[in-house]
Amino acid sequence: GAGVSQSPSNKVTEKGKDVELRCDPISGHTALYWYRQSLGQGLEFLIYFQGNSAPDKSGLPSDRFSAERTGGSVSTLTIQRTQQEDSAVYLCASRAPGEYEAFFGQGTRLTVV
Amino acid sequence: AQSVSQHNHHVILSEAASLELGCNYSYGGTVNLFWYVQYPGQHLQLLLKYFSGDPLVKGIKGFEAEFIKSKFSFNLRKPSVQWSDTAEYFCAVNKGNTGFQKLVFGTGTRLLVSP
Repeated sequence: GAGVSQSPSNKVTEKGKDVELRCDPISGHTALYWYRQSLGQGLEFLIYFQGNSAPDKSGLPSDRFSAERTGGSVSTLTIQRTQQEDSAVYLCASRAPGEYEAFFGQGTRLTVV
Repeated sequence: AQSVSQHNHHVILSEAASLELGCNYSYGGTVNLFWYVQYPGQHLQLLLKYFSGDPLVKGIKGFEAEFIKSKFSFNLRKPSVQWSDTAEYFCAVNKGNTGFQKLVFGTGTRLLVSP
């Protein structure tokens, strides 16, 4: 596609429910990143994929968070048993092989009530 | 661990004023440096980047940044801001020579330019 696409754009969920956030990277981009943007916290790295493998998942805040990527393309970030502190904008970015610039999607605004 | 500091959290300027946003990083090795901008309601986009060579880099929309290795800094500048520059600006760093792993971002600076 023309850019990184994330869905849904907004998600309101009840505390304790599971949520899935989707990222469609730019076609041909092998690297994919998930970040979390909270008010006043900047962008917090969550996980990095190269192809379907995740060489760096050091930013996942707890075992309630997981992510997968299939076919070297679409990625899903899953948050189980959501808590209010999970409320944030979740951003996905992708990067072409051999390039340094990462392209970001619009993000998914998650609100846990 | 790498960290990136942006000392100005909120900046308010009048149109035509000059802008300088500070960015300092903690990593001592070879680094790649970036400034990203997020206009209201839009996604993050790259403003400029430094990998090597001339430490003064020029980006889009008249922005420039200077890499000063001895100060671990990569400050963003613009001689004359416009109302349309109102946005949030993020400095980011990643390790050089190891391939692009993760970008470490600063907390951002919100710039408001009044007409």
